[in-house]
Amino acid sequence: NAGVTQTPKFRVLKTGQSMTLLCAQDMNHEYMYWYRQDPGMGLRLIHYSVGEGTTAKGEVPDGYNVSRLKKQNFLLGLESAAPSQTSVYFCASSYPRAPYTFGSGTRLTVV
Amino acid sequence: SQQGEEDPQALSIQEGENATMNCSYKTSINNLQWYRQNSGRGLVHLILIRSNEREKHSGRLRVTLDTSKKSSSLLITASRAADTASYFCATDAGNDYKLSFGAGTTVTVRA
Repeated sequence: NAGVTQTPKFRVLKTGQSMTLLCAQDMNHEYMYWYRQDPGMGLRLIHYSVGEGTTAKGEVPDGYNVSRLKKQNFLLGLESAAPSQTSVYFCASSYPRAPYTFGSGTRLTVV
Repeated sequence: SQQGEEDPQALSIQEGENATMNCSYKTSINNLQWYRQNSGRGLVHLILIRSNEREKHSGRLRVTLDTSKKSSSLLITASRAADTASYFCATDAGNDYKLSFGAGTTVTVRA
C-alpha cells in the first residue's frame, strides 16, 4: 500500500544512547517532515525537507539531526538521547501546498 | 509557538448530534487544514480550505474560514461512534510549506 512507513514503531533508549528513526514514502512527494507529539501540546515541527539533499530547522530542532540523501527517505537522528525526548514521533510527506500524509508514528521512551 | 488553537479542548456528544469545534490563529495564512487522529494512530487529512474560500463541505463535514477574525470552524453533522477522535487544525503560513498544528479537540461520541 502506498503511504508513509516509519520504523521502528516502539523503542526504549537509555539516556545518552543514540538512534535513528527512518521514514520512507513511496508517493514521490517532494516535502518531508518530522514532528513530535506530546500530551496537550499538539504536534511540533522538528525538521523538514523541501527536496532531496535539503533540510531545514523547525520549531524544536535542538538535540536532533536529519538527512535526506534519497527523495523517498528522511532520517531523524538522536545523538545523545535525553528523557525530554520521550515522545511520539511522526513523519509526514506532501506535495507543495497539499495535504500531508502521515506515518503511524514511533513511540520513543528515554529512561 | 503554535499558530492554531482549538476550542474546546474536549467535547462529549450523543450519537446523532452535531459537533462543532473552532480554531483561531495568529498570522495571515495560505490555507488551513483539518486532520483527525484516532487513538494511537497517525493523523488523517480531512479538509483543506484556502485563504480566499469561506466555506467547504465534504460529506458530513463543513468547514468555515473567517480571515478577518483569523478563525475557522469544523462542524461534524449527525455524529457516529466512529467519529470519536482528536481533531487538529493546521495552518500554512509563510513561504516554506510547513504546517503548524494546534493542540487539538478531543471528541467523544456516546452511543
